[in-house]
Amino acid sequence: DTGVSQDPRHKITKRGQNVTFRCDPISEHNRLYWYRQTLGQGPEFLTYFQNEAQLEKSRLLSDRFSAERPKGSFSTLEIQRTEQGDSAMYLCASSLALRQSTEAFFGQGTRLTVV
Amino acid sequence: KQEVTQIPAALSVPEGENLVLNCSFTDSAIYNLQWFRQDPGKGLTSLLLIQSSQREQTSGRLNASLDKSSGRSTLYIAASQPGDSATYLCAVTERQTGANNLFFGTGTRLTVIP
Repeated sequence: DTGVSQDPRHKITKRGQNVTFRCDPISEHNRLYWYRQTLGQGPEFLTYFQNEAQLEKSRLLSDRFSAERPKGSFSTLEIQRTEQGDSAMYLCASSLALRQSTEAFFGQGTRLTVV
Repeated sequence: KQEVTQIPAALSVPEGENLVLNCSFTDSAIYNLQWFRQDPGKGLTSLLLIQSSQREQTSGRLNASLDKSSGRSTLYIAASQPGDSATYLCAVTERQTGANNLFFGTGTRLTVIP
């Protein structure tokens, strides 16, 4: 296993279209996170899964956003009716919850451009 | 709300110099602090993780320190190389919200000049 994998790496879509991103975490990791990063800013937390349960969602995650993690393995993040303000880098991270404080490992991200 | 600040926003140094990047956070009740490196258009690479009970961590030419009571961390890079050029981000996980999400600073963009 080579780390957290995200697909696609880049996505250009027209405003109003739906898009879906995929994240494959490090195989033994039970925690999975989604973050969004805009140019010149640090990543901002969107949502978090422990196994298949979505345990926390940020207020940044509007009702147009939905995330799933079926069977506690890979995760998908869907954005419906995309807007230009959704253009950002979407980052996925995973960690192993042996205890509360564990290291997070990030994927290469999916760069979304809404035109 | 936790706020993380990184100073300076950008730094240029000649190759071979030692340098220090600074990170401060407003709420000292943290689980850990993590330093990341980000190359342009890429994801984040974890460099060092410091638990709240630790004072420092070292990896190769990197040394990170943590002073939780004052809400500060530094990343020391020894003998800088052009390959060190990247944006360096620090992030904390809070006790209040649980270790479930990271609060990031906006990063320091480092350029090492050959």
